[in-house]
Amino acid sequence: QVQLQESGPGLLKSSETLSLTCSVSGGSFSSHYWTWIRQSPGKGLEWIGHIYYSGTTDYNPSLQSRVTISLDTSKKQFSLKVTSVTPADTAVYYCAAVTYYYYYMEVWGKGTTVTVSS
Amino acid sequence: SYELTQPLSVSVAPGQTARITCERNNIGSKNVQWYQQKPGQAPVLVIYRDSRRPSGIPERISGSNSGNTATLTISRAQAGDEADYFCQVWDSTSHVFGTGTKVTVL
Repeated sequence: QVQLQESGPGLLKSSETLSLTCSVSGGSFSSHYWTWIRQSPGKGLEWIGHIYYSGTTDYNPSLQSRVTISLDTSKKQFSLKVTSVTPADTAVYYCAAVTYYYYYMEVWGKGTTVTVSS
Repeated sequence: SYELTQPLSVSVAPGQTARITCERNNIGSKNVQWYQQKPGQAPVLVIYRDSRRPSGIPERISGSNSGNTATLTISRAQAGDEADYFCQVWDSTSHVFGTGTKVTVL
C-alpha cells in the first residue's frame, strides 16, 4: 500500500515561491498519477495538478501559469512549485496517489499547512 | 467550467439514512468518487467508480449515479459518520470536486 508524506516550509511572504515535496513509500510509480490538491481555510478541495512517471503533466488551468510539478523516481519523491504566491495561496496542501485510468484519489498524505503573509 | 453542486448540509438521526447528492448535467456519463473528511484530517476515499467501496469501508455506505445526479447513501447513521463529504469526477483534462456537504448526526 502506498504511503505519502508532505514536507516543506509552512510560512511564506507574498511574491515568494512555494516549494513542497511528497515522499512516496510502497507501490509502483507507474501505477499512479502523482497529484497535488489544496484546501483553503474553511473551503473545498482544489486540484492543482499531477505528473505521471513518464513526465507527462496536467495542471489546473486557473493555476497553470504559476505551477510546476516534477518527479524524482530515484528519491521516490515528487514536488510542487508555485511562484509569486499571495495570501490567496494560503491552504493545506495535500499530495495524493491517483489511480491510472480511473482517476480517483486512492491515497492521500496527511497534508501540510502553508501560510502566505502580505 | 465543470461544476458539481452539493447541498451545504444534511442532518440525520442516529440509525436513519442520509443521502447526499452531487448534481451536474449528465453526470451519469462520468465515474464519480466520494471522499469523507473529518476535522483536521485528510480526505478518505469511501466510494469510487460510482458504487465501489475500498476495503475497510462498511457496506452501509453506498453510491449510485444516473442522469444528472450522483448520490452517496449512509444507512444506519452513526456518530462516527459526522464529516464533510465531497464528490469528484475526472473531466477529461481536470479533476473537479463538489462543493462539499457537512453531515451532522443529531
